[in-house]
Amino acid sequence: DTAVSQTPKYLVTQMGNDKSIKCEQNLGHDTMYWYKQDSKKFLKIMFSYNNKELIINETVPNRFSPKSPDKAHLNLHINSLELGDSAVYFCASSQNRGDIQYFGAGTRLSVL
Amino acid sequence: GENVEQHPSTLSVQEGDSAVIKCTYSDSASNYFPWYKQELGKRPQLIIDIRSNVGEKKDQRIAVTLNKTAKHFSLHITETQPEDSAVYFCAASRGGATNKLIFGTGTLLAVQP
Repeated sequence: DTAVSQTPKYLVTQMGNDKSIKCEQNLGHDTMYWYKQDSKKFLKIMFSYNNKELIINETVPNRFSPKSPDKAHLNLHINSLELGDSAVYFCASSQNRGDIQYFGAGTRLSVL
Repeated sequence: GENVEQHPSTLSVQEGDSAVIKCTYSDSASNYFPWYKQELGKRPQLIIDIRSNVGEKKDQRIAVTLNKTAKHFSLHITETQPEDSAVYFCAASRGGATNKLIFGTGTLLAVQP
């Protein structure tokens, strides 16, 4: 069983569209994260939720809105997609704000 | 702000040689330092980590050292193998309520057979 799973794996869309990426973890963890990896491979945190509560919100445009319906799920909705949003988005989870973070397989978003 | 510098950006070694990757962090409150390996097109995977109460940790062919005074930490891979070829990321975190990983810029390691 995949511990942290993301869907879709690939997402190709036009500028201006709205899209969502879903993440689920079956590790029983309380904390989930979204990271963005750009074309130069830089990995940067975007958001973190602990038990459905937003605890980290980096300087991310408000076109990005995370939603956590329960502690096992953290979805990322992106409005009005721009070319610069093209990247790989990784979801991760850790146990109750613990140190070790486990990453999903990533979603490669291409905005045309 | 919080920053982690990582060097070198690329490293090419012969199979069997050792490889060393170095990182420097800026946030003196950091107390957790993981290393992730990312193969092409795959997810980052934790290979080793160290907490601020120890200076060195080993796991078979890999080791990490930490110098809290200098705010440096390093990854050492001995007897490198072609399957060690990947991008390696260091990271630093305060842990606890603000457990966000601040990643270094990555090192592309190529092990030549």
